[in-house]
Amino acid sequence: DAGVIQSPRHEVTEMGQEVTLRCKPISGHNSLFWYRQTMMRGLELLIYFNNNVPIDDSGMPEDRFSAKMPNASFSTLKIQPSEPRDSAVYFCASTRDSNQPQHFGDGTRLSIL
Amino acid sequence: AQSVTQPDIHITVSEGASLELRCNYSYGATPYLFWYVQSPGQGLQLLLKYFSGDTLVQGIKGFEAEFKRSQSSFNLRKPSVHWSDAAEYFCAVAPAGSGNTGKLIFGQGTTLQVKP
Repeated sequence: DAGVIQSPRHEVTEMGQEVTLRCKPISGHNSLFWYRQTMMRGLELLIYFNNNVPIDDSGMPEDRFSAKMPNASFSTLKIQPSEPRDSAVYFCASTRDSNQPQHFGDGTRLSIL
Repeated sequence: AQSVTQPDIHITVSEGASLELRCNYSYGATPYLFWYVQSPGQGLQLLLKYFSGDTLVQGIKGFEAEFKRSQSSFNLRKPSVHWSDAAEYFCAVAPAGSGNTGKLIFGQGTTLQVKP
């Protein structure tokens, strides 16, 4: 079975540019999570969706961050405009239901210059 | 506040030696408990989970963990470490039962180095 698929794996861009990260959850999984991982703050939950509906976005750092899930097989995390402090590894995870473990993608390593 | 503490940031063990990684949590009730492993450049892979029942749970790659309610701990163990076990290990909790929203709270992680 295909796991959670994230693209791109690496992204390097200049500050001020728009960045779009993509995630395809495992087929049949109803919940999708976006995390950010940094050395200073560890793994932080940014937002999660259940049945394509955003449930909790309290972890989104500021209005420059937005996330969408237009259908059950695709989600995006967008940063506009990007800043150097947004540099991190961004993970997407999915789960069949809230009582099952989350499955993680390999992440997108984002560098904002 | 809910929290997960992994007291050891970095641990080094010799190949073939036993391993124990510590995890303590602060929660209102017994949560769901997880251990994940992250190899460099990779995502997190689930090693094992505890939902209920037997407090000693077996996972993949020869790992096990024991839930101790009285100590609010969920320590990860392996009897004999292999060089390929070098990675970062994360303990995580989520509210159990009807209160479970699927949100995970992660510890800061423990980096395991294995000496030949």
